[in-house]
Amino acid sequence: AQSVTQLGSHVSVSEGALVLLRCNYSSSVPPYLFWYVQYPNQGLQLLLKYTSAATLVKGINGFEAEFKKSETSFHLTKPSAHMSDAAEYFCAVSDMEEYGNKLVFGAGTILRVKS
Amino acid sequence: SQTIHQWPATLVQPVGSPLSLECTVEGTSNPNLYWYRQAAGRGLQLLFYSVGIGQISSEVPQNLSASRPQDRQFILSSKKLLLSDSGFYLCAWTPTGQSYNEQFFGPGTRLTVL
Repeated sequence: AQSVTQLGSHVSVSEGALVLLRCNYSSSVPPYLFWYVQYPNQGLQLLLKYTSAATLVKGINGFEAEFKKSETSFHLTKPSAHMSDAAEYFCAVSDMEEYGNKLVFGAGTILRVKS
Repeated sequence: SQTIHQWPATLVQPVGSPLSLECTVEGTSNPNLYWYRQAAGRGLQLLFYSVGIGQISSEVPQNLSASRPQDRQFILSSKKLLLSDSGFYLCAWTPTGQSYNEQFFGPGTRLTVL
């Protein structure tokens, strides 16, 4: 079965610094991978997705992620953090072994941006 | 364009009372529908999903139930709420058939059981 591990439940960066949120997946088939962002008391919003095209995926708000099959990773990065990036981020993998187009989510990483 | 609605936005209910949360999707047909719960500090837990009218799959045994009376309507219910039912409930949808499709989430319902 597919699974997702997000290293670090909390990450703190200074405004203008690099953002790196880590995601490792386990999948027995070529995966489809997603990053979502959640602001307090709101639903999840898709940042970007990998669907077996380019391994470097660009998303909204200046975020990007690189699919590395050899490392089973899909880390999320942003060159320069902004205060508005403070939120919780979820990595997810499509559960293609089961019916229903389900997603398997990581536990989430809360990003704090310091001024 | 497609939109997803949830109501109510917030709800405070006493222990033992019933529950009904509603989710509707506009602008698409025959979507897959999902109910998730976020308890404080505990990530996303998939509760139910549905691939069609009247077709409900339960992921976690509990005192909650779900129904899909219409193609684009998904309802989460309980006959008697427990304190542990408190949390943030999210509904999501995805187009049928393709695993590479992302799920689109509603704005959520904050439920507090006292």
